[in-house]
Amino acid sequence: GDSVTQMEGPVTLSEEAFLTINCTYTATGYPSLFWYVQYPGEGLQLLLKATKADDKGSNKGFEATYRKETTSFHLEKGSVQVSDSAVYFCALSSYNNNDMRFGAGTRLTVKP
Amino acid sequence: GAGVSQSPSNKVTEKGKDVELRCDPISGHTALYWYRQRLGQGLEFLIYFQGNSAPDKSGLPSDRFSAERTGESVSTLTIQRTQQEDSAVYLCASSLLSRNYGYTFGSGTRLTVV
Repeated sequence: GDSVTQMEGPVTLSEEAFLTINCTYTATGYPSLFWYVQYPGEGLQLLLKATKADDKGSNKGFEATYRKETTSFHLEKGSVQVSDSAVYFCALSSYNNNDMRFGAGTRLTVKP
Repeated sequence: GAGVSQSPSNKVTEKGKDVELRCDPISGHTALYWYRQRLGQGLEFLIYFQGNSAPDKSGLPSDRFSAERTGESVSTLTIQRTQQEDSAVYLCASSLLSRNYGYTFGSGTRLTVV
């Protein structure tokens, strides 16, 4: 069935470092892809999305490009801040399933 | 409402008791989902409601779990005879009909079974 695999954490970076969190997916057809962020003590928030191949989603300095040839949707940010410390979830949605499929989450800690 | 509202935010219950969790979705969102998030783990799908269609219950872990939703309004998730392994954060999400919109999540109910 459809699934998402993302890099295991935790990831610890210094402020202003470059961030990449890898995400790959398995799906038949053409899923939509999402990144969600969960700040401490809060629910998940949609960070960005892409609905077709080669689309780039972006928000708050984060970017991810839908790569069908590599079945990937890696999350990147050029310069992280302490306030970016959170758990990041990659997810996919397709017409094969009623529910959205989530990766296991990657915890990011940014140190000053 | 402006967002997805869940109540209570925290619930501590004794093993064997029944609990009821509530979710109030965004007005106009036809789809509603329940997920479970165990400590340090990803999201586990439980159940999906879409309008007046029969719900997709394929993710419910046992017959102790049940959920109801009337039309496109409030949903309740009931866990009977709670067990310690039921301890988790229960997340509710709603969305417009198209999956391309993504979900809006509530803040969750943290359930602790002692």
